[in-house]
Formats: sequence, structure tokens, C-alpha cells
Amino acid sequence: DQQVKQNSPSLSVQEGRISILNCDYTNSMFDYFLWYKKYPAEGPTFLISISSIKDKNEDGRFTVFLNKSAKHLSLHIVPSQPGDSAVYFCAASGTTSGTYKYIFGTGTRLKVLA
Amino acid sequence: DAGVIQSPRHEVTEMGQEVTLRCKPISGHNSLFWYRQTMMRGLELLIYFNNNVPIDDSGMPEDRFSAKMPNASFSTLKIQPSEPRDSAVYFCASSLRVSGTEAFFGQGTRLTVV
Repeated sequence: DQQVKQNSPSLSVQEGRISILNCDYTNSMFDYFLWYKKYPAEGPTFLISISSIKDKNEDGRFTVFLNKSAKHLSLHIVPSQPGDSAVYFCAASGTTSGTYKYIFGTGTRLKVLA
Repeated sequence: DAGVIQSPRHEVTEMGQEVTLRCKPISGHNSLFWYRQTMMRGLELLIYFNNNVPIDDSGMPEDRFSAKMPNASFSTLKIQPSEPRDSAVYFCASSLRVSGTEAFFGQGTRLTVV
């Protein structure tokens, strides 16, 4: 059973526009959420995270929004750049329950068109 | 620190052979994770260790898969016997077992079983 879901396998966005990547989770024990970026032939690299006590976290062009009642988070990239083209994975962890493992979604392939 | 180091980067083996993947976590990290990346399941958690002890191996697909962590600086994932459906990219990651921290990934091992 997929506890973290990314329902859009791919997304294409024009350079300079906003990219919005979505993620849903089912386990209410998750309290820490992360986004990773992955280029071909490389390991995933950490991008941005958010704790469940917040509803927004911003880092430069990247903002993550968390809606706990809907069990939904999103990653906004503004403005999108061709170098942002990669696979983005959403992940969740349940630290307060003592479970520090990271559960990942299936990923969304973002293509930013020049 | 050099980051999480995995070896080999690529492995091609014949069906029925034993395969051993290796991982050196970041020094000082006390949690280690093995993931498998597939199109259908994304980054699938196979097993994770805390302080060298296996905590959750519920993601290990079959008894053909086994993992060990004999010390804090080394872990192996073994598949015996290997099958073509085991072909995937296998990632190792490590983290501090502290709330609000991320996992760091290695470059992965691309396994092809023919």
C-alpha cells in the first residue's frame, strides 16, 4: 500500500513559469516531509523540507506547502528554469512515533521547456 | 566527508548468481537505509538499520534478499539467487536519527540480471 502518492508521473512547464508538484499521504503519524530532486545516473539530493507544525517553508525559488487536514503537500518552483528538469520525489517521516524511516512516493518527472 | 559511497556503480550478472551491493554511510550517521528504484514503486524502502541493528525489513521482497551491517561504516545488500526482475537501481542512504533531518543518498548501483 502506497503511503505517499505522487499522482502525476510527469509535468511540463515553460521556462519562467511556476511549477507545482503535488503529493498526498495517508499516514497521520507522519510529521516531517521532504522533497528530493534526482538527475539521471545520480542519487536523490535533498531540496527542501517542512515540519508538520508549519504550513509553509520557503527557500529561494522553492516553497513547500503543507495541508495537514487534507494530507497534502505541494512544491512550488518560481520561476522555473531548464536546470530544474529532473525527477522530484516527495518523502515523509514519522519522527514523533519514533519511526525515523523515510517513505517516498513514485516521483514526478519535471521538464522545463526553454 | 565524501558522502555515502556505494559500490559497484554498475553490476551485470547472470540469473541465479549471487550479487552483493556495498555501502559506506556518512561518518557519524546512525541510521542506514536501502532503497530500490523502479518505475512502478518509485523509491521503495527495503530495510533500514539503526545503530547497526535492523529495525524494519518489511520491504525486503523475498528471502532471496538479505542485508547486514557489521559495523557503523559498512553495510551490504545481498541477492541470492538473483533473477531478471531484480534489475533496478539500488540506493543506500544514511541519516542522523534526529527529528527534522534529511537522509543523504549514495550514487546508486544499477543492477542488471540477464
